[in-house]
Amino acid sequence: DGGITQSPKYLFRKEGQNVTLSCEQNLNHDAMYWYRQDPGQGLRLIYYSQIVNDFQKGDIAEGYSVSREKKESFPLTVTSAQKNPTAFYLCASTWQGGKTGELFFGEGSRLTVL
Amino acid sequence: EDQVTQSPEALRLQEGESSSLNCSYTVSGLRGLFWYRQDPGKGPEFLFTLYSAGEEKEKERLKATLTKKESFLHITAPKPEDSATYLCAVQAASGTYKYIFGTGTRLKVLA
Repeated sequence: DGGITQSPKYLFRKEGQNVTLSCEQNLNHDAMYWYRQDPGQGLRLIYYSQIVNDFQKGDIAEGYSVSREKKESFPLTVTSAQKNPTAFYLCASTWQGGKTGELFFGEGSRLTVL
Repeated sequence: EDQVTQSPEALRLQEGESSSLNCSYTVSGLRGLFWYRQDPGKGPEFLFTLYSAGEEKEKERLKATLTKKESFLHITAPKPEDSATYLCAVQAASGTYKYIFGTGTRLKVLA
C-alpha cells in the first residue's frame, strides 16, 4: 500500500542533542513538507521541498535542518539550537501536477526533551 | 494576511444530534480548501477538497460546503466513532506551496 512512513513514533532527547526524524513516501509525490503541531495551535510549516536537492524554509525553520537527496525521503534534524523542541512532528507530501493537491500525512513523531 | 479560523473550538453532541462545524478563511485567491480528520496521536486523514463557491462533497455522515468566505462541515446523525478533531486548511493561489491550517474543532459524540 502507498503511504508515508514516519519514524520513530516516539523519541526522547536530552538537551544539547541533535535528533533526526525520518520520513519516507512511496506515493511518487514531488513535494514534501514538515509541520510542527502544538496543543491549541494550527500546524506550522518548518520546511518544504518541491523537488529533489531543493528545499525552502517555512515559518518556523530556526533550529531545524532538512535534506532531500531522494524523491522518496525528506529527513528532519532537530538541532540543539531549537529552544523548545518538544512537539508532535508531521511529515506530508503531495502531487503538484494538477489544479491543486491535498496533503497526505504520516502518522507523526512525538519528540520529548528530557 | 492569509488566515483560517475554525469554530467552535470544541463541540459535544449526543449520538444522532446533527450539527455543523465552521471554517472561515481570508486568502488572496483560493486554490483549494481541505478538510481533515485527526484522531489523538495520529496524523490528519484527508476528507474533502473544495475548489469553488457552491461546491459540495459528501462522504457517509459528512457533507462539506463552500462559500466565498467560509466552509461548513455538516455532520448528520453522528456516531461515537465520529469523535475526533476536524482540521480545515486552505491553499492560496499566490503561493502554491503554502497550506494555511486552522486550529481545529474537537468533536465528542456521546453514546
